[in-house]
Amino acid sequence: QKEVEQDPGPLSVPEGAIVSLNCTYSNSAFQYFMWYRQYSRKGPELLMYTYSSGNKEDGRFTAQVDKSSKYISLFIRDSQPSDSATYLCAMKRQRGGSQGNLIFGKGTKLSVKP
Amino acid sequence: ETGVTQTPRHLVMGMTNKKSLKCEQHLGHNAMYWYKQSAKKPLELMFVYNFKEQTENNSVPSRFSPECPNSSHLFLHLHTLQPEDSALYLCASSQELVSGGRLTGELFFGEGSRLTVL
Repeated sequence: QKEVEQDPGPLSVPEGAIVSLNCTYSNSAFQYFMWYRQYSRKGPELLMYTYSSGNKEDGRFTAQVDKSSKYISLFIRDSQPSDSATYLCAMKRQRGGSQGNLIFGKGTKLSVKP
Repeated sequence: ETGVTQTPRHLVMGMTNKKSLKCEQHLGHNAMYWYKQSAKKPLELMFVYNFKEQTENNSVPSRFSPECPNSSHLFLHLHTLQPEDSALYLCASSQELVSGGRLTGELFFGEGSRLTVL
């Protein structure tokens, strides 16, 4: 079983829809969970970061972590065409240490149609 | 210039060529990374440099050779590559804490170098 599983999509939704992106993981030691957004022909950029279980909201974006189910989600409300990108989940065990310890999912390609 | 810049953005090379990818970060970070991104696969960490010292080499074939002359510059030297090495090569940087402490949490990526090996 891969450490981090993420459906690569593609996922296509109409403008204004609520988008749900998900990752599952197998390592219960993961404590730090991140979502990166990657536009076409660009590098990934950090979108949201959460520690342990719970929710975190930032504007139209909500990150949710359920450690008991080893499942994380990113919700996008009122999706816009500018949200069209690939979304990568990433996670790590340690509080400190190198960011090279991040384990990434494959990324889900999202397309929001006007 | 700001952030992390990579050159060239696109590179086509034959299997017998020698080429190099260059990365420069303008963020004052102390760690730099090379990642490989292939279609339908997760980002693969290749090399990590903390304070100019290579700290990780994730079983990368010797045809890839990194060089970090200072904390702002990182190179990836390429030699006798295979077609399966065609991918997007991403450079990233971060500010690593010397000991313990709160997670700083962010990798800053360049736009990548798209490599095609014929």
